[in-house]
Amino acid sequence: GNSVTQMEGPVTLSEEAFLTINCTYTATGYPSLFWYVQYPGEGLQLLLKATKADDKGSNKGFEATYRKETTSFHLEKGSVQVSDSAVYFCALKNTGTASKLTFGTGTRLQVTL
Amino acid sequence: NAGVTQTPKFRVLKTGQSMTLLCAQDMNHEYMYWYRQDPGMGLRLIHYSVGEGTTAKGEVPDGYNVSRLKKQNFLLGLESAAPSQTSVYFCASSYSTSGLTDTQYFGPGTRLTVL
Repeated sequence: GNSVTQMEGPVTLSEEAFLTINCTYTATGYPSLFWYVQYPGEGLQLLLKATKADDKGSNKGFEATYRKETTSFHLEKGSVQVSDSAVYFCALKNTGTASKLTFGTGTRLQVTL
Repeated sequence: NAGVTQTPKFRVLKTGQSMTLLCAQDMNHEYMYWYRQDPGMGLRLIHYSVGEGTTAKGEVPDGYNVSRLKKQNFLLGLESAAPSQTSVYFCASSYSTSGLTDTQYFGPGTRLTVL
């Protein structure tokens, strides 16, 4: 079956530090990969996505590259801000009906001044 | 354009009580989903719907029922609540299942506590 594994948090960084949150997946076929972000007290929002191998998704300074050879989709940002403090979820969607998502357990990021 | 809304935001139930969570979307989306979010477990799919009048089981459907009588609404029911159903429930919707329009949009969540 499908599964997503994320690095455990919390991750605590100083403002302007470099961020990496690791994500690896197990799936049959050619899934689409997503990063969602959940700010405190809110629902999840799509941050970025990639639909095929070697695609790079990017948004708000965050990037992730779909690496089929290592089954990974690591999230990176060159310089984090306090406003980036949130929980980040990696997810995959396999081909088939209903666009069902399989989520990782989430990684909490705390950015301090 | 409100997106995806959920009612109520918070609820406390006693074991054995019943309740219904309402999800509404105003984006004319075909697909709707109910997830639960538990610490250390991410989000897990409870039930989903691929269109008005249809429902299907997800990963953790036991103890829940759903209905999609109108395209814009997706109801999640707990007939006899149990403490194991204490969780945060999220509804989501999407326009399609592929291409540029398969993004799922999430509601703000309902925090349910079962005593």
